[in-house]
Amino acid sequence: ETGVTQTPRHLVMGMTNKKSLKCEQHLGHNAMYWYKQSAKKPLELMFVYSLEERVENNSVPSRFSPECPNSSHLFLHLHTLQPEDSALYLCASSQEVSGIYEQFFGPGTRLTVL
Amino acid sequence: QKEVEQDPGPLSVPEGAIVSLNCTYSNSAFQYFMWYRQYSRKGPELLMYTYSSGNKEDGRFTAQVDKSSKYISLFIRDSQPSDSATYLCAMSSNSGYSTLTFGKGTMLLVSP
Repeated sequence: ETGVTQTPRHLVMGMTNKKSLKCEQHLGHNAMYWYKQSAKKPLELMFVYSLEERVENNSVPSRFSPECPNSSHLFLHLHTLQPEDSALYLCASSQEVSGIYEQFFGPGTRLTVL
Repeated sequence: QKEVEQDPGPLSVPEGAIVSLNCTYSNSAFQYFMWYRQYSRKGPELLMYTYSSGNKEDGRFTAQVDKSSKYISLFIRDSQPSDSATYLCAMSSNSGYSTLTFGKGTMLLVSP
């Protein structure tokens, strides 16, 4: 595997379900990100992790819970979601979090909340 | 006023045309300007990156930044069907994190 991978690629869940999205980067980077991409809206930054420590949380509802067990893996735990949470969830990584470094994106997980 | 404005398109052009994609922004602190390309069912990938004002050329692609007008452009010469994708502009003020403010993206369709 190379680059940034995400699983699952597609997920359909009910409002009462609990599920998790997984991201893995094979680039040796120290920073990882979760973004939300909705139709006709800009990419929204959700969370930033640097060396497994959360450094930014952009007023994201508590029904989204990130976890970064090590610098290669990032999870997004989902529970009690709403239909408006349906979107493409993108994971990205960069070499460092301070300064300007290219962010490499995964293919995303297409989430549908019924 | 939104921080970054970008026409969502779609923009349809014939193969070989010169394409102009644009973004305007309101935050004068932005200094780093990027263009990402996103193919269907894929994540965005960095296409061009410029710092402050000026032009940058890479093959068929030219990025322009006009900080005085708060306006950035991406030109694609001799467009190809393989250029069909959504183009996202992104900007950063280098406030300490590699956090980017994105436009909505412009869908480009290049027909053979």
